[in-house]
Amino acid sequence: AQSVTQLDSQVPVFEEAPVELRCNYSSSVSVYLFWYVQYPNQGLQLLLKYLSGSTLVESINGFEAEFNKSQTSFHLRKPSVHISDTAEYFCAVSDPRGTSYGKLTFGQGTILTVHP
Amino acid sequence: DGGITQSPKYLFRKEGQNVTLSCEQNLNHDAMYWYRQDPGQGLRLIYYSQIVNDFQKGDIAEGYSVSREKKESFPLTVTSAQKNPTAFYLCASTKGQAGSYEQYFGPGTRLTVT
Repeated sequence: AQSVTQLDSQVPVFEEAPVELRCNYSSSVSVYLFWYVQYPNQGLQLLLKYLSGSTLVESINGFEAEFNKSQTSFHLRKPSVHISDTAEYFCAVSDPRGTSYGKLTFGQGTILTVHP
Repeated sequence: DGGITQSPKYLFRKEGQNVTLSCEQNLNHDAMYWYRQDPGQGLRLIYYSQIVNDFQKGDIAEGYSVSREKKESFPLTVTSAQKNPTAFYLCASTKGQAGSYEQYFGPGTRLTVT
């Protein structure tokens, strides 16, 4: 069975400061990793994903995440945040094998609040 | 414009009543999912379906039922047996083919039962 732990339930930061949202997972097999973002009362939007290849993946709005297999982590970072980045962020893992493909296991979520 | 629609956005019901939440997708995706979201608990999988006329229980299926008669539609019924039905419900879909694991989400339905 897989599990995902997001180490911080809330992260407050000031605008233009760097931020890191931490995600650790446990799995006995290779997994696919995802970060989703959710704005209030909306569905989730995919921010970025790691399937294979380069361990550093980037999104179009300046976020990046690094897959670290030895530490079973997939932390999300942004060097300079904006007010508009205020949202809840979810880390998720997927087991690509067999009948479990496509199923996601989510972390508990991290609420990022960017203050002016 | 392809996507997933969920209706209604807000739903209110009295305790003891069954209620059905709608989920429709025009992405031609094979697999569809229902999640329940509660504050601080992330998303928990209720039911999923990888093909028409077939579905499997997720982690918290008790008190819920689904059907998958058409590829585009995956309605969720919250029955009176669900002990704590007030929550935000999210529907998602994915292509269902190897190599395509990204899930696309609908806007959600917020159900309040009093």
